[in-house]
Amino acid sequence: GAGVSQSPSNKVTEKGKDVELRCDPISGHTALYWYRQSLGQGLEFLIYFQGNSAPDKSGLPSDRFSAERTGGSVSTLTIQRTQQEDSAVYLCASSLLPGTVDQPQHFGDGTRLSIL
Amino acid sequence: EDKVVQSPLSLVVHEGDTVTLNCSYEVTNFRSLLWYKQEKKAPTFLFMLTSSGIEKKSGRLSSILDKKELFSILNITATQTGDSAVYLCATLSPSGSARQLTFGSGTQLTVLP
Repeated sequence: GAGVSQSPSNKVTEKGKDVELRCDPISGHTALYWYRQSLGQGLEFLIYFQGNSAPDKSGLPSDRFSAERTGGSVSTLTIQRTQQEDSAVYLCASSLLPGTVDQPQHFGDGTRLSIL
Repeated sequence: EDKVVQSPLSLVVHEGDTVTLNCSYEVTNFRSLLWYKQEKKAPTFLFMLTSSGIEKKSGRLSSILDKKELFSILNITATQTGDSAVYLCATLSPSGSARQLTFGSGTQLTVLP
């Protein structure tokens, strides 16, 4: 597609439920990133996928968070047993594969997650 | 811990004014600095700066990086109401295979007609 596509755009769920957020990167972009933007906070890195390499999960805040990327394209971020502090906008970005030259990351519109 | 600090936090100007947004950083293994514009939703990429002293320009926007003093500025000339947004600065300083961005808290720019 023309840009990074995320779904759903909004998600409201009850505390304790599991949620799945989806990201479809720009065609041809092999690097994919998840970030979280909480009210009054900057963007916080969560996880990074590069091609077929093992993902960098160093930003995931707890073991309730996981992500996968199937077929090197679409990614899903799963949050299990959601807590109120998980309420945030979850942003996905993609880029061409970084090498000796850095590549800018291009962001989707995000999923606004609200935990009641 | 990597740190990116933006100033001012917010700025209100009138159409036609020129503004300068600041970004200072303390990061290990610095590679690049990026500027984004965030209106309602997705941050939109503006510039990526890797070399010191080389100005990047796009229309009324320009940016420059000083790797000695560890800062960057984003200039917007002849501001328009459509420039109202949060401007985010981020550094790319990977460790290992990671390529994540470290973001500042942003500058909220409001341009009044």
